[in-house]
Amino acid sequence: DGGITQSPKYLFRKEGQNVTLSCEQNLNHDAMYWYRQDPGQGLRLIYYSQIVNDFQKGDIAEGYSVSREKKESFPLTVTSAQKNPTAFYLCASSITLVSTDTQYFGPGTRLTVL
Amino acid sequence: AQSVAQPEDQVNVAEGNPLTVKCTYSVSGNPYLFWYVQYPNRGLQFLLKYITGDNLVKGSYGFEAEFNKSQTSFHLKKPSALVSDSALYFCAVRGGTNAGKSTFGDGTTLTVKP
Repeated sequence: DGGITQSPKYLFRKEGQNVTLSCEQNLNHDAMYWYRQDPGQGLRLIYYSQIVNDFQKGDIAEGYSVSREKKESFPLTVTSAQKNPTAFYLCASSITLVSTDTQYFGPGTRLTVL
Repeated sequence: AQSVAQPEDQVNVAEGNPLTVKCTYSVSGNPYLFWYVQYPNRGLQFLLKYITGDNLVKGSYGFEAEFNKSQTSFHLKKPSALVSDSALYFCAVRGGTNAGKSTFGDGTTLTVKP
């Protein structure tokens, strides 16, 4: 988990609320990613960013939004449009978007909708 | 499209015995293959990767993996399992036409019994 921090560790959201998950890295990596993990399933890509001020939708972007204003920060907002947001959210980074680069993961945020 | 299959949801081994966690993949072009381990409520930790060269890749904590191009497999192995190896293991592939995007298997839970 070293070098990537996520906060909070646990987050509770009421129906209709937007919440923002924080992800910060001090690895000087250009590329950052957000994944969603559900029990019994692999990780699914929500959004990724190759460089500051640029980001792309992943496989399950609906109901989520991101920004990349700083190299070290890639916050994820879970909007009220996301119908089933309860999950474990993982942020990752890699030196670049090149396929041979290793992705390193943060400790995760567990989001629960009340 | 690229895909990863981990055919076993659960693998049980006795401490001191060798372990194998299976992974097969499908990707167009050169495959770049990764293994990660996840402990409960934690992020993923990188174990090892195959990029090119020797088909036997050595990684962290005594783990190794064998790349087999003809069988499109990348099985994770360890000669002597420890109770502390009990965790969730993920195989991932990057490459092909989805440059930079990883596809993860659904994970295999390894339980090592004393």
